[in-house]
Formats: sequence, C-alpha cells, structure tokens
Amino acid sequence: DAGITQSPRHKVTETGTPVTLRCHQTENHRYMYWYRQDPGHGLRLIHYSYGVKDTDKGEVSDGYSVSRSKTEDFLLTLESATSSQTSVYFCAISESVRAENTEAFFGQGTRLTVV
Amino acid sequence: AQTVTQSQPEMSVQEAETVTLSCTYDTSESDYYLFWYKQPPSRQMILVIRQEAYKQQNATENRFSVNFQKAAKSFSLKISDSQLGDAAMYFCASKGEMNRDDKIIFGKGTRLHILP
Repeated sequence: DAGITQSPRHKVTETGTPVTLRCHQTENHRYMYWYRQDPGHGLRLIHYSYGVKDTDKGEVSDGYSVSRSKTEDFLLTLESATSSQTSVYFCAISESVRAENTEAFFGQGTRLTVV
Repeated sequence: AQTVTQSQPEMSVQEAETVTLSCTYDTSESDYYLFWYKQPPSRQMILVIRQEAYKQQNATENRFSVNFQKAAKSFSLKISDSQLGDAAMYFCASKGEMNRDDKIIFGKGTRLHILP
C-alpha cells in the first residue's frame, strides 16, 4: 500500500470554528490532492498541489485553503466551518502523467461533521 | 476543462453474469490516462484498471476489461463473471497534463449491486 496517512480520521466540530486536516505521504510523489465525497456528487476536487508551495484551486475551493511547505505534507484548512462542509474528505497522491505509475493513491478518508 | 460523466447512478447484475458500466469524458489534452476505481463499503479507493490514451489496445485485468473508444471519448468497464465481492461504488476518472498541473477528475460514480 502507498504510504499516505490522513489525520484525523473522524472529527466533529462546531459551525464557525477553523479546522485543519492533514495528509502525510512517504512516497515522495509530486502531486497531492484534496477531494470531498458527497452522495450523488462523487469525488470533487477541492485543491491540489504540483510541488512545494505550488497549489491551485479545484472545482469546489470556496471556503477552503491549503498549504504545502514540505513534499510530504499537504494541509487542508476550513477557515470557518459550515454545515455544508460536512463530508468525507480524501487526500490522494500521484506522479506525473509521464511516470510509469501515474494513478492516484488514496488515503483512508476523514469524516468531518460540522454541527 | 476536463469532465467525466457516469450516466448510471445504480446498476444490478446477477452473480456470474457480465455487466458494463458506462463512462464518457471530455478533455483537450493529448496525453492523458483514464481509470476505473472501486470503492467498497470500507470507503477505501482501489484502482481497478487504467488506460493510456495513446494505446489503442483495450486494457484488461483478470475479469475486468475496458472498451476505450477515443474518438467517441467513451471508456466503459466490463466486469465478467460477477462476484459478490464486486458490489461497490465504481468511479471513472481522467488525468491529463495541463500546464504541468496533473488534475485528476472523477465522475459521480455508479453503485453496482450483485444479486445472488
């Protein structure tokens, strides 16, 4: 299994509080991604990173920010959590399209509940 | 923009029968990959099969095979001899290189039920 760890695995937080989810990899992959999974919507890309300090927005980035200060860590922050951000969050890593194995490897997911 | 469309929210198949899950995509990239992922109730995301766009031969992994129609931008997954363990959510995904930023975009998924 690819070395990718998400923390925490479960979290309940109150509306309006900041929340940070962490993704840690030991594979030295260049690309890292944050997705949210909701029924009927599949996996939607929030933000992704193509290198240290290089990040860009995905399709559902409003209300989220990210940081990547080291190759191995990619943080997702909800500045002020809202109930609409209740979801399961997945981190994924991958190499370039030109690499031999370019598929995404996923963490185990974080279930976040905003009450 | 990359898009991936799975038009079948749910499907059912009898055990030991064959089922095909549909996926269409759109991309302006010339160099891209397509994937099928399986998500069982454990929530783990498991790669089932992948297809490189520049390869005309359809990918095959044991009971899983794809029908890749590049001109039609279609990428369907065929599961032969369906087993109870195949019951899961299946996601189609595309990955292209755009300005050195490899986005991976997923469809909404198809939930597959296996009937004993």
